[in-house]
Amino acid sequence: QSALTQPASVSGSPGQSITISCVGTSSDIGTYDLVSWYQQRPGKAPKLIIFEGTKRPSGVSDRFSGSKSGNTASLTISGLQAEDEGDYSCASFGPTAWMFGGGTKVTVL
Amino acid sequence: QLVESGGGLVQPGGSLRLSCAASGFTFSSYWMSWVRQAPGKGLEWVASIKFDGTEIHSVDSVKGRFTIARDNAKDSLFLEMNRLRVEDTAVYYCVRGGSRAFDFWGQGTLVTVSS
Repeated sequence: QSALTQPASVSGSPGQSITISCVGTSSDIGTYDLVSWYQQRPGKAPKLIIFEGTKRPSGVSDRFSGSKSGNTASLTISGLQAEDEGDYSCASFGPTAWMFGGGTKVTVL
Repeated sequence: QLVESGGGLVQPGGSLRLSCAASGFTFSSYWMSWVRQAPGKGLEWVASIKFDGTEIHSVDSVKGRFTIARDNAKDSLFLEMNRLRVEDTAVYYCVRGGSRAFDFWGQGTLVTVSS
């Protein structure tokens, strides 16, 4: 099972929007509408922020949004804030298993 | 709440049993999973078990060595780890979910495999 591909880092200024990509294949992201995104602050456990590609759990800011095109899923953070710093990971179900991306470090300049 | 225990230092080839105590939700209604994170690395799904224990899935690298199990009467999830390798060193998270997403995570327990 291969990991999904994410950029190692993305940065932006407060108030800006950033987008993190998650590249898979036709066997995982391209087939299943089961992409989820997780925020992880340093030393903390991951937190679910997007599930089933575009849905937000209760209590998650609407500044976070998800989308998918073909074999690539994306997470957009609008109105970037200092509290958004951390690592963001995507996950998708595949033909035999769950797989995660390598994670993207978000830095607020 | 999900609270993991059982982590620690073990030699290569050794065994450990992780436990996870769940509270605050109807444990027997949810898929449960273990996800690990090696130091400085990304998340890796390890194994998932259906709410009634009738379906189990695991990553190829742990098949034949790790066994996920649950006790719905005690709201508990387990991971039996045998023939441990250095590359199994990681923080192991107990996670609610595994059928559509992973929606609630414990704080994790560190497993270190080293001689």
